[in-house]
Amino acid sequence: SAVISQKPSRDICQRGTSLTIQCQVDSQVTMMFWYRQQPGQSLTLIATANQGSEATYESGFVIDKFPISRPNLTFSTLTVSNMSPEDSSIYLCSVVAGSSGNTIYFGEGSWLTVV
Amino acid sequence: GQQVMQIPQYQHVQEGEDFTTYCNSSTTLSNIQWYKQRPGGHPVFLIQLVKSGEVKKQKRLTFQFGEAKKNSSLHITATQTTDVGTYFCAGYFGNEKLTFGTGTRLTIIP
Repeated sequence: SAVISQKPSRDICQRGTSLTIQCQVDSQVTMMFWYRQQPGQSLTLIATANQGSEATYESGFVIDKFPISRPNLTFSTLTVSNMSPEDSSIYLCSVVAGSSGNTIYFGEGSWLTVV
Repeated sequence: GQQVMQIPQYQHVQEGEDFTTYCNSSTTLSNIQWYKQRPGGHPVFLIQLVKSGEVKKQKRLTFQFGEAKKNSSLHITATQTTDVGTYFCAGYFGNEKLTFGTGTRLTIIP
């Protein structure tokens, strides 16, 4: 398994501001992902954070709104830019680990409320 | 696009009763995983099923993968208050992206 730390765990943000979420893993991992979970909803993949190259974004998510950094194999950041109340969600960092090589482990999430 | 649906969306059961959630995909899955998310928590991996018709058990939890690898179920026997949470299935459609189901929220009436 992998131990994943996310910061901040919670925040209340003003409309129009940006917030950067940090994700630290206790071991080197190839695949890191960022998910969003809106209140009462399932998890939606935002992007795959690639080490040494630009992130790969899913349909409906763009780099200008959700810039991602992946400077090394243990760390990534997700920025939520120009926030609106619709961005109020849990943002989850995750990695692929486990003996089968495709089990997803999640950080504890960053609970953002935009007012 | 590829979607994974779960039913029911919500389930309220008396403590001690059984509970089942069903997961359905329109296309074949290479494997399926199940996660549990406690209220206020993050999803936690429970199990992975890979083979057609596979059945796995974890104490009171029984997981099944359909013969056609398009559906799966999670059955909990004699529910306890610690079973409260949302159960998600998630599947790989042969690529590296895990698609999560819509989830079933389980509440227990003591």
